Amino acid sequence: KAGVTQTPRYLIKTRGQQVTLSCSPISGHRSVSWYQQTPGQGLQFLFEYFSETQRNKGNFPGRFSGRQFSNSRSEMNVSTLELGDSALYLCASSEGRGNTGELFFGEGSRLTVL
Amino acid sequence: QKEVEQNSGPLSVPEGAIASLNCTYSDRGSQSFFWYRQYSGKSPELIMFIYSNGDKEDGRFTAQLNKASQYVSLLIRDSQPSDSATYLCAVGGSQGNLIFGKGTKLSVKP
Repeated sequence: KAGVTQTPRYLIKTRGQQVTLSCSPISGHRSVSWYQQTPGQGLQFLFEYFSETQRNKGNFPGRFSGRQFSNSRSEMNVSTLELGDSALYLCASSEGRGNTGELFFGEGSRLTVL
Repeated sequence: QKEVEQNSGPLSVPEGAIASLNCTYSDRGSQSFFWYRQYSGKSPELIMFIYSNGDKEDGRFTAQLNKASQYVSLLIRDSQPSDSATYLCAVGGSQGNLIFGKGTKLSVKP
């Protein structure tokens, strides 16, 4: 069974640009959660999608958005990039809601904002 | 704000010893508790979960939960150098997400 796939793995952007990250969950998993990981703040929850609906959103500005498609694949978008957005963005999929069972993480997309 | 607190470490133990990792959480209504292991440069992977008060054992790992004290711990017996990693405590939030601690870095010395 294929794991969670995230693309791209690495990317470099400049301030003010926007970026779109993609996540393909494990087949059959309906929940996709996104987390931002930085050395100072650790793993912080961005949002969760379940059956194409955003079920929960973390404490991030509106520049961070996402969506989920009918095949459960998910994308997140960050607009008007800031230096502080440099981080590892992790996608995780699960069979049920993200707070009740095992989250399977992808390898992450490492974003550097210059 | 709901929080999960862990000592950042590093926690250093000799090979073969017991490593004890601790975590406290603020949301008294939390019902699910997880320990993830993250090797350097890799993504987190689940090693234990616990839902009820008491101990849960899986091989060399034991998770302990005390809801009254809002305390979760992970014991690693017969620690191996391959156990060297950052251990993340996570608590199920009421709105469908996991709330992670910042992690404890464990170093097992041969």
